[in-house]
This record gives sequence, C-alpha cells and structure tokens, in this order.
Amino acid sequence: NAGVTQTPKFQVLKTGQSMTLQCAQDMNHNSMYWYRQDPGMGLRLIYYSASEGTTDKGEVPNGYNVSRLNKREFSLRLESAAPSQTSVYFCASSGPGQGFPPTSYEQYFGPGTRLTVT
Amino acid sequence: AQSVAQPEDQVNVAEGNPLTVKCTYSVSGNPYLFWYVQYPNRGLQFLLKYITGDNLVKGSYGFEAEFNKSQTSFHLKKPSALVSDSALYFCAVRDYGGATNKLIFGTGTLLAVQP
Repeated sequence: NAGVTQTPKFQVLKTGQSMTLQCAQDMNHNSMYWYRQDPGMGLRLIYYSASEGTTDKGEVPNGYNVSRLNKREFSLRLESAAPSQTSVYFCASSGPGQGFPPTSYEQYFGPGTRLTVT
Repeated sequence: AQSVAQPEDQVNVAEGNPLTVKCTYSVSGNPYLFWYVQYPNRGLQFLLKYITGDNLVKGSYGFEAEFNKSQTSFHLKKPSALVSDSALYFCAVRDYGGATNKLIFGTGTLLAVQP
C-alpha cells in the first residue's frame, strides 16, 4: 500500500498563476482532507470531503477549490495564487467511522507539497 | 467549540531521560484525542489515540499518553528519550461537527533530544 500520495512535491508559482495539487489514497477511506501548515499555526483545514460526491469548507477555504474526483482522489485548486498561499499543503484521509460504534478516527497524511508563490 | 492547546513551543531533554509533551483539551462531549509526529520535510505520522477505555494508551516507537479527565489533559510520554525522537509533535481532538472525522490540531511542540 502506498497510503496517501501527493503530487507535486515542490512548486513555485508567480502571483496570479493557477495550479492543481493532486492527492490519492489506496486505503478505501471515505473521508479526505486538505490542510495547510504554516510556522507557529499548526495545521489548518482548508476543505474536506466526508464521502465521494460531497465537499465542505474548512477553517481557511478562501482562494481554494476542491474536487472529489472519485473515492480515491481529492484535488485542491488555486485559481489565482497569492503570496499568502505560500505554505506546505497536506492531504489526509480517514476510514469509515461514521455511526456508532466508531471504527477508526485517525487520519493518515501524505508527504506534502511545498508551495512558494512569488 | 472543541480545541486543544500545547503550552510549550519547545521541549528539551537529554537522551535517556524521560520526556513529556503536554496537551490540554476543551470539548463539549467525550473527547477523542490523538498524537502525531512530524519529522523534518515529512508528513504527519499517527502515534496513538484515546477513544475510550484505559487512561494509559500505548502507541508507536515506545510512546504512551495518559488521559486525565479531571485535568482535561492528554500528555505524551516516553520513559527514555532517543536522539531520533527529535521532531515536531501535534496533539489533536476530534471535531464533533458534521459527519466526518475532522480533527482540530494544536500548534505543535518541537522536541529536541540532546545526546
């Protein structure tokens, strides 16, 4: 199992350019997430998808869009990049755990994408 | 609203000594608590979780955590630190809103183990 994979690993954009960050998981998880990590701020949730076909905003969604392409893949798009979006982006997934009793709540993370916007 | 706090930005400990990384939480119901570790330029790795049951939870790499309901704490511990334990540690709590397993993360504690 590869777990959670992300592409690309590194990216440099100019202000105003667009790009899509790709994420895929092979654990048959229902839920997927996009976070950004900035020094001193921990991880902040951008968007999440509880299940295939649904997406919802997290704590910091402005400037981003997402697509849950299928159960495996969840992409994050920056339509017009800004320097404030310079960050490390992590994708994560978690298994079935809806309903009671819970089966699994922990999330599994990809290796991250380091994005710089100049 | 659910939250977690990690009161120490950095913890320094000598190799072989016991280590503790602190975490306190605030939730409206029963807490589901997690610890993750992040090595440089890597993603977060799951260490352990408390959902219910025994207050002492054992996890990966010899780490354990003690759930204390009266003190609303979930401190990460290890009896004997290794230099290779040096990393960034995150505490997290499950967010009860919505139909998914959203987690709320603390700001992280950098653990530095000196040889």
